[in-house]
Amino acid sequence: EDQVTQSPEALRLQEGESSSLNCSYTVSGLRGLFWYRQDPGKGPEFLFTLYSAGEEKEKERLKATLTKKESFLHITAPKPEDSATYLCAVGAQGGSEKLVFGKGTKLTVNP
Amino acid sequence: DAMVIQNPRYQVTQFGKPVTLSCSQTLNHNVMYWYQQKSSQAPKLLFHYYDKDFNNEADTPDNFQSRRPNTSFCFLDIRSPGLGDAAMYLCATSRDGRGYNEQFFGPGTRLTVL
Repeated sequence: EDQVTQSPEALRLQEGESSSLNCSYTVSGLRGLFWYRQDPGKGPEFLFTLYSAGEEKEKERLKATLTKKESFLHITAPKPEDSATYLCAVGAQGGSEKLVFGKGTKLTVNP
Repeated sequence: DAMVIQNPRYQVTQFGKPVTLSCSQTLNHNVMYWYQQKSSQAPKLLFHYYDKDFNNEADTPDNFQSRRPNTSFCFLDIRSPGLGDAAMYLCATSRDGRGYNEQFFGPGTRLTVL
C-alpha cells in the first residue's frame, strides 16, 4: 500500500531560523511528488512538483529536494508569514488519478 | 486568472437536511476531485471524475453523491447530513491525472451541521 509520512507533525521556529520538513514515501512507482501549503480555513496552495531523485525546485525561501525514499522542504530564514501547514502528496504508478497525502507539518514562525 | 471556485464558502445545514456544494473551474482540466478534510487531518478523497467517468472511493458513504454536468462544473450532494459530516469540503482539478500532474484546489466550503 502506498504511504506518505511527514515529520515533524509540528515545528516552531524563530524568525530567521532555517530548518527542514521531511516527507518519506513508500510507493510502487513514483510518478510525482507534490508539496502544498495550506493556511487555516483555506484550500491547499500548490508549491512544487518533483519527478526524479536529485531534482530540486526553489521558490523564495523554500527549496524542495527529492531522493528515492524521501523529500525535504528546506525553509531558509523563515518569516512569520511562512506559518502554515505544509502537505506532501505522491502520485503512484498504481494509483490511477489519485494522490496519496501525508498528514502535514504545521509550521509556526515566531517574530 | 484560471482558477477553481467553490460556492458557498460557508454552509450551515440541519441534521438530515440535504445540501449541495458547487465547484467550477476555468482551467479546462479533465479530472475533478472532491475531498473531505477534518481539523488537523489530511484531505480524504471521496470521489473523482475523469471527464464523465465517475470513480467512487470504496469507503465513501452512500450518503455522498456527485454530479458533473459538464467540464466546468461539479457538484457534491450530501443526502442526509449527520453531525460527523461537518468538515471542510475541497474541490480540486488536474489536467489528466495518472499521478504526474499536480492538483489545484479551490478555497473550500466549510460545512456546519446543526
